[in-house]
Amino acid sequence: QVQLLESGGGMVKPGGSLSLSCVASGFSFKDYYMTWIRQAPGKGLEWVASTGSGNGYTGYAESVEGRFTISRDNADNTLYLRMNSLRPEDTAVYYCARDVRGDVLLTYALTAFDIWGRGTMVTVSS
Amino acid sequence: EILLTQSPATLSLSPGQRATLSCRASQSVDLNLAWYQQKPGQPPRLLIYDALNRATGIPARFSGSGSGTDFTLTISSLEPEDFAVYYCQQRSGWPPKVTFGPGTRVDIK
Repeated sequence: QVQLLESGGGMVKPGGSLSLSCVASGFSFKDYYMTWIRQAPGKGLEWVASTGSGNGYTGYAESVEGRFTISRDNADNTLYLRMNSLRPEDTAVYYCARDVRGDVLLTYALTAFDIWGRGTMVTVSS
Repeated sequence: EILLTQSPATLSLSPGQRATLSCRASQSVDLNLAWYQQKPGQPPRLLIYDALNRATGIPARFSGSGSGTDFTLTISSLEPEDFAVYYCQQRSGWPPKVTFGPGTRVDIK
C-alpha cells in the first residue's frame, strides 16, 4: 500500500527549531520528487519545499527560504524538513506529498501531487 | 510569481446539479494545472493533473479543461460526497515554484 507518514510536529516557541520526518512505503521512493506543503488553521494550501533525487535539486517558498531545509534519505525512504527560526505564522499542518510522476526530469516535476500523508501539526507560540 | 484566483469563493448547489469551478492564472501556465478536493480533517486528494487528466480512481463525473490562464473543473452531477473545498495548483518558472489557489467551497444548498 502506497503510504506517507509524517511525524515530529509539536509546539515550539518563536525562534525555536523543529524537525519533521515523512516515511514512505509501497513505492520506489528514490524515483520521486517529494514535497512539503502546509496548511494554516482554517486557511488554504501553501507550498513549502521540494526535493529531487540524485540531481541535487531543492526548491523553497520565499516565506521559508534560509530558515527551512529539505532533505531525504533514500536508503531509509524518509523525507525531512528542518525548520529553524520559527515564527507564529509557520503554525500549520505540514503534509508531505509525492509527485504524480516518477523518474522524470525537473522540467516535468512538481506539476501535481498524488499521494499525501495525514499531516503533522506544528504550533509556534510563546 | 504566478498567482491563481478561484471563483466563486462558495458555490451552493443541490445533489444532482452540475458544478463549474474556475481557476485563473496571472500568467500562462500552459497545461501545468492540477485540481484537488479536500474534506475537513483530511489531506487533499488529487483529482485532475495536466489540466485535463483524471488521477487514478477519480470518477468520470470530474473533468478538467482549459489551458494558458483559464481553467475549469466540472462535476457533472454532484454526489453527496462531493461537497468539499476544491483547490487548483500550478507549477511554473525556473527553478520551478508551486502555488495554490485560495479554494472554492462547494456547499449543499
